[in-house]
Amino acid sequence: AQSVTQLDSHVSVSEGTPVLLRCNYSSSYSPSLFWYVQHPNKGLQLLLKYTSAATLVKGINGFEAEFKKSETSFHLTKPSAHMSDAAEYFCVVSDGFDNAGNMLTFGGGTRLMVKP
Amino acid sequence: NAGVTQTPKFQVLKTGQSMTLQCAQDMNHEYMSWYRQDPGMGLRLIHYSVGAGITDQGEVPNGYNVSRSTTEDFPLRLLSAAPSQTSVYFCASSYATETYEQYFGPGTRLTVT
Repeated sequence: AQSVTQLDSHVSVSEGTPVLLRCNYSSSYSPSLFWYVQHPNKGLQLLLKYTSAATLVKGINGFEAEFKKSETSFHLTKPSAHMSDAAEYFCVVSDGFDNAGNMLTFGGGTRLMVKP
Repeated sequence: NAGVTQTPKFQVLKTGQSMTLQCAQDMNHEYMSWYRQDPGMGLRLIHYSVGAGITDQGEVPNGYNVSRSTTEDFPLRLLSAAPSQTSVYFCASSYATETYEQYFGPGTRLTVT
């Protein structure tokens, strides 16, 4: 069985400062990991994905994430926050279909707030 | 290319009423799914389909029915609405070989009183 824990439900940063959103996962197999972003009143959009290639993954809008197997982590970072980054971010794991047909298991989400 | 569309955007139901949430995609995706989003719980899979005529249950299927008569459409039916079904519902689609990269609709916000 797979699971995802996002360690912070809310993160607040000032514009221009670094962003760190933390994610730990549990998986029986070699997982694929993703970050999705949801802007207010919008659907979810894929930000980046790790599927067993390079452990440092670059996504859209300057975000990147590093897969660390020894720490079972997949933290999302960005060097300099922008006001438009304010959104909810979901860490997602997939290790194939399980009995519930879940290709994707979502974390609880982290709401990122960016102060001017 | 409209992507994934959902109607309605908002709905208020009384307990016991039934309704259908509509979902359509124009990307010729084989895989379609319905999720519900509740605060602090991420998204949970309700039902999914890997092609026309094929559906299966996800993590939280009770109280919901689906059908897939065409590749494009995947409606979700609430049989007898309950307050516990108050949630935001998202439809998503993807290619069958890339189900990790799902395209989401804008969501339907449902309130059951």
